[in-house]
Amino acid sequence: GESVGLHLPTLSVQEGDNSIINCAYSNSASDYFIWYKQESGKGPQFIIDIRSNMDKRQGQRVTVLLNKTVKHLSLQIAATQPGDSAVYFCAEKAETSYDKVIFGPGTSLSVIP
Amino acid sequence: DGGITQSPKYLFRKEGQNVTLSCEQNLNHDAMYWYRQDPGQGLRLIYYSQIVNDFQKGDIAEGYSVSREKKESFPLTVTSAQKNPTAFYLCASRLAGADEQFFGPGTRLTVL
Repeated sequence: GESVGLHLPTLSVQEGDNSIINCAYSNSASDYFIWYKQESGKGPQFIIDIRSNMDKRQGQRVTVLLNKTVKHLSLQIAATQPGDSAVYFCAEKAETSYDKVIFGPGTSLSVIP
Repeated sequence: DGGITQSPKYLFRKEGQNVTLSCEQNLNHDAMYWYRQDPGQGLRLIYYSQIVNDFQKGDIAEGYSVSREKKESFPLTVTSAQKNPTAFYLCASRLAGADEQFFGPGTRLTVL
């Protein structure tokens, strides 16, 4: 993921609209990717994952898209709700290591009621 | 309930003091991890342990120490050698053979 110093990228969306959060990953050998949601003062929660043999995976109101050509990952949240307000970050892992996970800095999503 | 617990939620320490952060899991997970989170940055790995009585340094181990005497417990000690210890500390665990790490609620450490 890219480094953005002390300030997270921020995305503001109107309640009910769709949100798209992007992540550029760094290791072309990464084959497993996860999106986490982190509310203020809490630990990260798993949202959805995808393996490199797929380019799209859907969950409940969320979709992850993977573009290996440009090393890009996106998280789409449908019908965004106020409870979706949080920091979202991606993580990447190579098949050769269970323990070396690279975490992006995150994007702060703010939902406007 | 199964899960990962960290205590305390908030911790204050004076400069020069060592402090130990607790992490316990009842998920029967084999691997456990400690991360540090600073504003605007991704999680950075401090230490990890794949099995009892064994652990490895992560990317930022200097000034920290750990032990893994029991499968369910992985305490982290922040020593006085850690130059900038104020941060949010996250513990995670993972089942052997699985990819996903599960995180605890975190401990916010502030050095006064």
